Amino acid sequence: DTAVSQTPKYLVTQMGNDKSIKCEQNLGHDTMYWYKQDSKKFLKIMFSYNNKELIINETVPNRFSPKSPDKAHLNLHINSLELGDSAVYFCASSQDETGGIYEQYFGPGTRLTVT
Amino acid sequence: QKEVEQNSGPLSVPEGAIASLNCTYSDRVSQSFFWYRQYSGKSPELIMSIYSNGDKEDGRFTAQLNKASQYVSLLIRDSQPSDSATYLCAVADTDKLIFGTGTRLQVFP
Repeated sequence: DTAVSQTPKYLVTQMGNDKSIKCEQNLGHDTMYWYKQDSKKFLKIMFSYNNKELIINETVPNRFSPKSPDKAHLNLHINSLELGDSAVYFCASSQDETGGIYEQYFGPGTRLTVT
Repeated sequence: QKEVEQNSGPLSVPEGAIASLNCTYSDRVSQSFFWYRQYSGKSPELIMSIYSNGDKEDGRFTAQLNKASQYVSLLIRDSQPSDSATYLCAVADTDKLIFGTGTRLQVFP
């Protein structure tokens, strides 16, 4: 009974290719996020969506394009992949509450390797 | 640039001891604080959240918050080898979380 799921788990591809990662949550949460964790394990927010509306876009190259078809799904499309895009990408979700940030729950991650 | 700082470790403690993990943050107005555990090759798992000054206990875990000193800590009592992981401190900044780089904890038998 997975709460936040991502596909694929591993993605190996060549420079210049375009790839997508999909995320789904069954927690009934309103907000979903994409994070990137680099080789030094630093976890950084990339995007967030609240009820299909883009809320956060953290100076990410425009080769990265998120899309939320509904509040349970958030996808990430990456164009013209570069070596520096190699990382683990995590999806997360949280319940939207007024007055602050609440607990975020993470998916299992997608390990992207660009060769 | 708002920052969250943690000692990268490793912090090595013997089984049964108390592990103390510390985190400082730069933004005085932050109101929400979280501790996540991340095993190698796995995703971050929420352990504790704390919003008010003082202590919050949940089983073997106690989170401590001191907003005046901009300091949040996590105590793990009766540490077990299965607690060996990286512990990430996260601080809310308006509409997002800022994560520290994590402290690696090693619990040896």
